[in-house]
Order: sequence, then C-alpha cells, then structure tokens
Amino acid sequence: NAGVTQTPKFQVLKTGQSMTLQCAQDMNHNSMYWYRQDPGMGLRLIYYSASEGTTDKGEVPNGYNVSRLNKREFSLRLESAAPSQTSVYFCASSGDRGLSPLHFGNGTRLTVT
Amino acid sequence: SQQGEEDPQALSIQEGENATMNCSYKTSINNLQWYRQNSGRGLVHLILIRSNEREKHSGRLRVTLDTSKKSSSLLITASRAADTASYFCATDDGGGYNKLIFGAGTRLAVHP
Repeated sequence: NAGVTQTPKFQVLKTGQSMTLQCAQDMNHNSMYWYRQDPGMGLRLIYYSASEGTTDKGEVPNGYNVSRLNKREFSLRLESAAPSQTSVYFCASSGDRGLSPLHFGNGTRLTVT
Repeated sequence: SQQGEEDPQALSIQEGENATMNCSYKTSINNLQWYRQNSGRGLVHLILIRSNEREKHSGRLRVTLDTSKKSSSLLITASRAADTASYFCATDDGGGYNKLIFGAGTRLAVHP
C-alpha cells in the first residue's frame, strides 16, 4: 500500500523547458491536489481535481496545466519553465469533500536555472 | 493568500518539555487541521477539529479551537526528539471541496 507516489523526486530544468510531474494514489480517493512549497511560505494550492474528469484552479495556477488521467493519476505540466517555478511540489489526495484529511506524497524538488 | 498564520516561527525545547504552537486564521471555517512535516518528506495529517468543537485529543497531542478569536493551538506533551519537525495548521476555504489553505508553519526542534 504505497499511498501517494510522485515521480521524479528531483529535477533540474533550464528556463523554457517543459516537463510533467506524475502523481498516483492507490487509496481510491476522488479528490487530488497539487501544491507548491516555497521557503517560509507554507503550501499554496496550484490545481485540484474533485473527481475524475474535473479540474479547477487553485491559488497559483499560472504557468501550469493539469490532467486527471483517471481516478488514480493526476499530472502537473510546466509548459515553459521559469526560475520562479523553482519549488518543491507536493501531490495529495483525499476522500470525498468535507472532513477527510489530505494524504501527501514525498514531493518533487524542482530547480529551474 | 495565507489563511493560517503559525506562531512562533521556530521553537527549541528539551526532551520531556511541552511544546505549544498557535495558529490564527482570517475567515469562517468548517474545520481546522494540523499536519507535521519531517525534513525532506511530505506532510502527515495529525488531527482535525471541527468548527463546533473546542478541544480534541490524540495521544500526546491536544488541539484547541476558539472560533470567536479565529485561533487554534497545538500542544505536544512530554516531547521527544522524534517530534522534531515542522508543524502546519490548515483551514478549509468554506467551499466544500476540501481545498486546504496552509500557514507558513512552526519549526520545532526537540533536543535530547
């Protein structure tokens, strides 16, 4: 029972390059989320998906796109990476809306030079 | 925008002492949650308190919620070196989709 799995763990990109961060969960959760964590700022929501086939913007969506491929998988794409996107990215999942806690992956540390 | 703000930003104590962290938030909430993050790892859920609850316990953790002051506190009793981590409060945005808004966290160091 792996929980939430993120790949890759580390990535270095040059400005303008693109990449996709992968996330998969095995808890049969409907909701999935992408957060970024910057030093001293806590986590900020980029995008979320309340159920398979739906996605919606969070607090900081600019420069990102997402795909909810199926119930298990939720990917985050950077089309043209910028140094401001250097961060640690966390994927999370939760049960149905309401009082379900979030289960987090261990993050992807991305550096854009 | 950050909903929750933790205080203090950093806390250093000795094993066996109690650690208290505070969280303030700005708007009405349905629930408030506390998470722990060990260095280089993802966040782990600790405890959830509903807006109509005032206090909740889980093992050595005690959480209080004062909705009139829009504040919460997390107390860790008899701390251990393994409690060394960052602690975050998170509140929902009231929209019903479990979109949590996190504070900047409190870094706790427990020295043997």
